[in-house]
Amino acid sequence: DTGVSQNPRHKITKRGQNVTFRCDPISEHNRLYWYRQTLGQGPEFLTYFQNEAQLEKSRLLSDRFSAERPKGSFSTLEIQRTEQGDSAMYLCASSFPPGQSYGYTFGSGTRLTVV
Amino acid sequence: AQTVTQSQPEMSVQEAETVTLSCTYDTSESDYYLFWYKQPPSRQMILVIRQEAYKQQNATENRFSVNFQKAAKSFSLKISDSQLGDAAMYFCAYRSINAGGTSYGKLTFGQGTILTVHP
Repeated sequence: DTGVSQNPRHKITKRGQNVTFRCDPISEHNRLYWYRQTLGQGPEFLTYFQNEAQLEKSRLLSDRFSAERPKGSFSTLEIQRTEQGDSAMYLCASSFPPGQSYGYTFGSGTRLTVV
Repeated sequence: AQTVTQSQPEMSVQEAETVTLSCTYDTSESDYYLFWYKQPPSRQMILVIRQEAYKQQNATENRFSVNFQKAAKSFSLKISDSQLGDAAMYFCAYRSINAGGTSYGKLTFGQGTILTVHP
């Protein structure tokens, strides 16, 4: 297992365009998290899945954001009608359920720049 | 809701010296985990050290140790014998272990401290 993989690493898009990011978690992990990190700040929680079920969404996740995890494997995060304020690093992490393990494994992130 | 505060935006240390990064947090829960994560430039976040709140003994991992003061809600990271490879952004993070809590399973991060190591 090569860890948590995120693609693409970088994405530059024009304002108003739609973008989609992909996260491939560690295969044994049934929890998958999305975080957003702006420059010089700590990551902020966006949403998480347990298997294919999306259990919680942050208020940061506007209607333009949607996340899926079909079949409980990889996940996608789509941003529609991108705005300059969406420019950030989008981090994915996976883990076992909290009762089983404390540990998260993070991916390297997708850096989005909206111009 | 839990909050985590890192009041030192930047810190610097000479190679081989010791540096302490500060973190305070606010919670009404009695059981939780606290973590320090390291994020090198353009690289993924990795776990440095963790502390379970129910353990009084401070966690230690090689050159990294913590000073956990539960009553004061303080959780500082000490890096001994600093190395050039320790240069990174360091984040303090909180994770609830209360299944009924709003932070269950999620990490709440501080703002981060950029650590520079001078040769």
